[in-house]
Amino acid sequence: QKEVEQNSGPLSVPEGAIASLNCTYSDRGSQSFFWYRQYSGKSPELIMFIYSNGDKEDGRFTAQLNKASQYVSLLIRDSQPSDSATYLCAVLTGGSYIPTFGRGTSLIVHP
Amino acid sequence: DAGVTQSPTHLIKTRGQQVTLRCSPKSGHDTVSWYQQALGQGPQFIFQYYEEEERQRGNFPDRFSGHQFPNYSSELNVNALLLGDSALYLCASSLVRVPIGGYTFGSGTRLTVV
Repeated sequence: QKEVEQNSGPLSVPEGAIASLNCTYSDRGSQSFFWYRQYSGKSPELIMFIYSNGDKEDGRFTAQLNKASQYVSLLIRDSQPSDSATYLCAVLTGGSYIPTFGRGTSLIVHP
Repeated sequence: DAGVTQSPTHLIKTRGQQVTLRCSPKSGHDTVSWYQQALGQGPQFIFQYYEEEERQRGNFPDRFSGHQFPNYSSELNVNALLLGDSALYLCASSLVRVPIGGYTFGSGTRLTVV
């Protein structure tokens, strides 16, 4: 059973702070990792994907992958109220065509 | 650039009825995957269609069936609806079966079974 675990939150941070979202996975054969943002009542939107250990930066977003510890993180710098959403982690295992999604972490950025 | 289009956006059905949801993938994409998302949960994989065939299926009963047409669009059919089928149904498209660059999701169909 492939599992992707996320703390459901909510994670509450003040505007301008760094929000740190974490995701752990059970299958050591996992190779591709995705972060999606989902606003309430809307569909998921891809933010970033990462394949290699280390950090990947895109604007205010940084994905961090540690395969040895089996976790992937998403950092959001200079958080804005518009970042308030649920963040879904998805993991794709080698040999599988289907990503497994976590239940998501709710982020609230308050002014 | 046309994204993923789903219809209808909202639907209310009675228990025991049948429903058909539709999806047109993003231009250039050939693979369609369907997900069910219950409130407060992550998307759960239903099945994937590629080259007009069901290629992989999640842990959903046979009441859930689908189809892919030559133009890559797809339908999800659910028979004998149960109250527990109430959820947001998401269509995700990708180029080829493995979503290396991630999925593009449609806006979803909110199904309510009463």
